[in-house]
Amino acid sequence: DIQMTQSPSSLSASVGDRVTITCRASQSISNYLNWYQQKPGKAPKLLIYAASSLERGVPSRFSGSGSGTDFTLTISGLQPEDFATYYCQQSYRAMYTFAQGTNLMIK
Amino acid sequence: QVQLVESGGGLVKPGGSLRLSCAASGFTFSDYYMSWIRQAPGKGLEWVSYISTSGKTINYADSVKGRFTIARDNAKNSLFLQMNSLRADDTAVYYCARVSSTWRADYWGQGTLVTVSS
Repeated sequence: DIQMTQSPSSLSASVGDRVTITCRASQSISNYLNWYQQKPGKAPKLLIYAASSLERGVPSRFSGSGSGTDFTLTISGLQPEDFATYYCQQSYRAMYTFAQGTNLMIK
Repeated sequence: QVQLVESGGGLVKPGGSLRLSCAASGFTFSDYYMSWIRQAPGKGLEWVSYISTSGKTINYADSVKGRFTIARDNAKNSLFLQMNSLRADDTAVYYCARVSSTWRADYWGQGTLVTVSS
């Protein structure tokens, strides 16, 4: 199985900050990497697919980059509604594993 | 608009069975792979199973292989998960998700809670 690791596991930031979350795969997954946002008590929401493509309706302050084993999710200009947990997921090989998540909290 | 509505969750004893359903609307169900993804309380996400458009291609996480069965009824726009020999570590919210190209789960249901406890 392909193992996915995110860092940090938790992060405190302020409204307006620029934050970056890192995701690493245990082997090369090309650009088969998706990012999701989950708020408490809600289902996850797709933000970014294929490492850098913005899902329709997602604000442009979210961006993704990377290929191979190392990927990043960047949020430029944090908004109050962005405080949530973020997960990366590899879509290279079944079963399509998720990382453990990053809890983005208000400072 | 795309809607996925899960049902069938509840409290079951270890070793018991449960059948989850997911009713889909707002898109051509038969055109999409579908999946079940679960989340244990306070934990991360686990991709449990997926099924192809025709139902001929199916895959399971090792943790549920041999105990869970995924199925679909394209005529009724429905997805199912039959769960047998349930264990305490199967306790989770189970989400139904639509799978689009590049294996992204682009729409999710609200989830149904399965609790396995004596």
